[in-house]
Amino acid sequence: AQKITQTQPGMFVQEKEAVTLDCTYDTSDQSYGLFWYKQPSSGEMIFLIYQGSYDEQNATEGRYSLNFQKARKSANLVISASQLGDSAMYFCAMRPVEYSGAGSYQLTFGKGTKLSVIP
Amino acid sequence: EAGVTQFPSHSVIEKGQTVTLRCDPISGHDNLYWYRRVMGKEIKFLLHFVKESKQDESGMPNNRFLAERTGGTYSTLKVQPAELEDSGVYFCASSLLFGQRNEKLFFGSGTQLSVL
Repeated sequence: AQKITQTQPGMFVQEKEAVTLDCTYDTSDQSYGLFWYKQPSSGEMIFLIYQGSYDEQNATEGRYSLNFQKARKSANLVISASQLGDSAMYFCAMRPVEYSGAGSYQLTFGKGTKLSVIP
Repeated sequence: EAGVTQFPSHSVIEKGQTVTLRCDPISGHDNLYWYRRVMGKEIKFLLHFVKESKQDESGMPNNRFLAERTGGTYSTLKVQPAELEDSGVYFCASSLLFGQRNEKLFFGSGTQLSVL
């Protein structure tokens, strides 16, 4: 079984500042993938970044980077130079790398963090 | 390129009624997923289609839920009869390649279902 914990229900950040959204996970899988999604007020879930447990380097995608600490089982999302458009819900999720039958390959989500960017 | 489209965006029904949600995946995506978020809880997996076949339906809560994907294109999720606990946001997602390590799921905007 997998579990994702996002301990920050809500966060505030000043525009142009950096912000870190926390995500810790628990899994018995040897190989797994970690995902971050953004959900703006429009409702659509937007893929942001992916980190494989087997990747040697932390993932980066533009202003998004993932601070992956495998031993601590954490995969925090760092957003640099926050913009007003970054205000949204952010979900951390994980999934095993290998499909091993029904029920094994689904994304497990955290409860999300609501980020508000202040002008 | 059109994204994942879900219809309706909102649905308000009474307990005992039937509701059908529709999802149009991105063209060419064989994989289609349904997820649900009940208020205050995590987003949970419901089921996964590969083309028209159900690859995994382990997340379907009970037999009041019926999902179909005729012809491997759009999918419908029917709830009959609806109960109060079925209220929530139903998300559909699609992806191109199943089993890829960083398989990217493209989500729709969801259907907000309210059962009164």
